[in-house]
Amino acid sequence: AAGVIQSPRHLIKEKRETATLKCYPIPRHDTVYWYQQGPGQDPQFLISFYEKMQSDKGSIPDRFSAQQFSDYHSELNMSSLELGDSALYFCASSATGGYTFGSGTRLTVV
Amino acid sequence: GIQVEQSPPDLILQEGANSTLRCNFSDSVNNLQWFHQNPWGQLINLFYIPSGTKQNGRLSATTVATERYSLLYISSSQTTDSGVYFCAVEGSGGSNYKLTFGKGTLLTVNP
Repeated sequence: AAGVIQSPRHLIKEKRETATLKCYPIPRHDTVYWYQQGPGQDPQFLISFYEKMQSDKGSIPDRFSAQQFSDYHSELNMSSLELGDSALYFCASSATGGYTFGSGTRLTVV
Repeated sequence: GIQVEQSPPDLILQEGANSTLRCNFSDSVNNLQWFHQNPWGQLINLFYIPSGTKQNGRLSATTVATERYSLLYISSSQTTDSGVYFCAVEGSGGSNYKLTFGKGTLLTVNP
């Protein structure tokens, strides 16, 4: 069965650089979510999109932005990276029957 | 927002032992899922269980929605069961269309 696809799997950036993470949801799932998981923490909700419109927003820094495109894939853009942005970033999509998470992007800021 | 509490925070077992993990939540829910996060960081969905009981091999889960708790049972544990187990819920309020995670239970199964 198709899953949620995230790319890249790993990313190393320097402070103050910009990073773009991509997510391809399961076909016909109408909502996409982004989560951030710091070391030893639980995943924290960042932002979600329903039918390409932003539907909810969590504790997402102003340096981060996201959008969902016409083909339903989503991108999370992070600028002016800080050491504290180092984390696992998950994308998930949902339909009736629950949420499915991608394998995540591990971002390391050095 | 909805609150999710998991217990115990840490659990150490010998291979072959059974265990019960608990998840309490503060409000009514549309969705409750149990996840296993493996050492590589992947979140593996174990159960979608907003109510009732389900079983999958050595794992089973029960959610009593009226009393706002869910239990995950692991029987005959194996070393590969090690990792963090998360409970996550979607509240049924009008602005709660997202999963909120508990802090997790770190399970270590020793050979």
